[in-house]
Amino acid sequence: DVKVTQSSRYLVKRTGEKVFLECVQDMDHENMFWYRQDPGLGLRLIYFSYDVKMKEKGDIPEGYSVSREKKERFSLILESASTNQTSMYLCAGSSGAAQPQHFGDGTRLSIL
Amino acid sequence: DQQVKQNSPSLSVQEGRISILNCDYTNSMFDYFLWYKKYPAEGPTFLISISSIKDKNEDGRFTVFLNKSAKHLSLHIVPSQPGDSAVYFCAATMEYGNKLVFGAGTILRVKS
Repeated sequence: DVKVTQSSRYLVKRTGEKVFLECVQDMDHENMFWYRQDPGLGLRLIYFSYDVKMKEKGDIPEGYSVSREKKERFSLILESASTNQTSMYLCAGSSGAAQPQHFGDGTRLSIL
Repeated sequence: DQQVKQNSPSLSVQEGRISILNCDYTNSMFDYFLWYKKYPAEGPTFLISISSIKDKNEDGRFTVFLNKSAKHLSLHIVPSQPGDSAVYFCAATMEYGNKLVFGAGTILRVKS
């Protein structure tokens, strides 16, 4: 069975901190994604990666960066956390174009 | 501008009856559509998909209908069960694209 694992289920950080969210997949998928989910807005794409060291901006990349040094790991970085980045963050992987994405269980991040 | 819209924030249905969840899209380039189900504190799970070359796809109790001229799709669940209570997200992409565009979600409550 496919598995996408996010390192933390809940995280509380302070404004201005640098925050790392980690995601690991065991599916050998080329594509990995980071979303945030907010009430009434659905899932919005932050960044995605289609290969090691490759990345593309999604719809809301401001304030975020990503790192993909190995195929199985995709990290989301909040360079200087702000309260409006309090949200549920979801990582996903897929095997290719127009293929279903498989999601991790999410990290609920609170920025105080 | 939301390219994928789920205009009903919530839906309540009696157990055993049909649940119909609706989704509209504006981008005529979309040609592959997916439905995801999400329980609280879990990531979304893929439910069913449909390509624009079809107008119907069925998988057990779940059927997705696509009306390309109206840019509308719907998910039918028959018969509805209490375990179907969840948030349902509609998503769309281009067949050779990697990015999914999600709607805001519809909360389905199935009453026993």
